[in-house]
Amino acid sequence: DGGITQSPKYLFRKEGQNVTLSCEQNLNHDAMYWYRQDPGQGLRLIYYSQIVNDFQKGDIAEGYSVSREKKESFPLTVTSAQKNPTAFYLCASSIRGQGKSYEQYFGPGTRLTVT
Amino acid sequence: GDSVTQMEGPVTLSEEAFLTINCTYTATGYPSLFWYVQYPGEGLQLLLKATKADDKGSNKGFEATYRKETTSFHLEKGSVQVSDSAVYFCALSDPAGGTSYGKLTFGQGTILTVHP
Repeated sequence: DGGITQSPKYLFRKEGQNVTLSCEQNLNHDAMYWYRQDPGQGLRLIYYSQIVNDFQKGDIAEGYSVSREKKESFPLTVTSAQKNPTAFYLCASSIRGQGKSYEQYFGPGTRLTVT
Repeated sequence: GDSVTQMEGPVTLSEEAFLTINCTYTATGYPSLFWYVQYPGEGLQLLLKATKADDKGSNKGFEATYRKETTSFHLEKGSVQVSDSAVYFCALSDPAGGTSYGKLTFGQGTILTVHP
């Protein structure tokens, strides 16, 4: 079955440590996205990538980094510079078409807790 | 910039009641509109979409009509079930402009609880 996988589902880290969240898709989508979800605030875009080896900052990129070395993979690193990293992180993907918009497909999410 | 406003929640209904969740938007171009549903502890699933004015999206008994004149995309269902309890997000994708295509702007979400 085609889809998006995120691992792990739950992640615990100590303050000051970097942590990398995995996102893999086998939908053959060009575009991939990372969102952060906090209670009562909807989803906020962290980073997105429209093609391999290229990515752009979203609305709340500070304290995060990404890479896009393969079409299938878009890992997110939460660095120690992120002031409030505890949140639910969602990865998504979509096909890419200039001048058009396409729905995004979401993974199951990773809940990160930093203490 | 683009924005989406949803009705405040939470919404609590009895089974078989009629559901409306209001959504209005602001966009510079001619956006596509989406409703997503999120069950507890899970990611978002696309519920329905509409890509141009007067389009009606429908799925699993839910419907929403793209109203350009009122910039709205209200979600409706005639008879809700306990299994519909979830968080519902309205979103838009505005293809106007180069790097903005494909990005989604979300409303804050509306929690729906349906009691037997």
